Amino acid sequence: NAGVTQTPKFQVLKTGQSMTLQCAQDMNHNSMYWYRQDPGMGLRLIYYSASEGTTDKGEVPNGYNVSRLNKREFSLRLESAAPSQTSVYFCASSDWGWMGYGYTFGSGTRLTVV
Amino acid sequence: AQTVTQSQPEMSVQEAETVTLSCTYDTSESDYYLFWYKQPPSRQMILVIRQEAYKQQNATENRFSVNFQKAAKSFSLKISDSQLGDAAMYFCAYETSGSRLTFGEGTQLTVNP
Repeated sequence: NAGVTQTPKFQVLKTGQSMTLQCAQDMNHNSMYWYRQDPGMGLRLIYYSASEGTTDKGEVPNGYNVSRLNKREFSLRLESAAPSQTSVYFCASSDWGWMGYGYTFGSGTRLTVV
Repeated sequence: AQTVTQSQPEMSVQEAETVTLSCTYDTSESDYYLFWYKQPPSRQMILVIRQEAYKQQNATENRFSVNFQKAAKSFSLKISDSQLGDAAMYFCAYETSGSRLTFGEGTQLTVNP
C-alpha cells in the first residue's frame, strides 16, 4: 500500500533549467495538491486539482505549471528554475466530499536551485 | 482568507513531562475542521489528531489531546508523558468547505532526555 509516491526525492538544478516533479496516488482519491515548505512559513499551496480534468491556482502559483494526467497522477513543472524555488515540495491527495479526514502526503522532494 | 498562526517557533520539554503547543486561526465560517500534523526528520507528514468545529468535546488520541476554544479561535495541542519520538515539527492546519488545507508556520518540538 504505497499511498502517495513522489519522485525524485532530491534534485539539484541550475538556474534556468526545467524539471517536472512526479506524483502518483493509489487510493482512488479525486483531489490532489502540490505544496511547498519553507522555513518559518509552513506549507503553502501551489496548485491543486479537485478532480480529474481540473486544476486551480493556490496561494503561490507563480513560476509553476501542473498537469493532471489522469486520476492517479499529478505533476508539477518548473519551466525556468530560480533560486527562490529552492524548497521542499509535497504532493498530497484527498477524497473530495470527505472533508475533515485530512490529506495523505508523499514523502517530499528536496529541490535546490543554484 | 483563512489564516492559521503558530506563535511558538520552538518549544522544548523534558521526557515524561507535558507540553502544550499553541495555534490560533481566523475564519468567518461556522463549520470547519482543525488538524495537528507531525513532521519528524524523515519529512513525512503524519496526522496526529483532528477536531470537528461543531463538536464541543475536545478530541483525544492516546497521549495527544486538544483544547478547542471556538469563540477564541484557539486550538492547542497537549502532549502528555512526552517521549523522545515526539521530537518533530508540528503543524496546525485548518480546512473548510471550498478551501484547501491551510497550515500554520510550525513549531519545532525538542524532547530532552
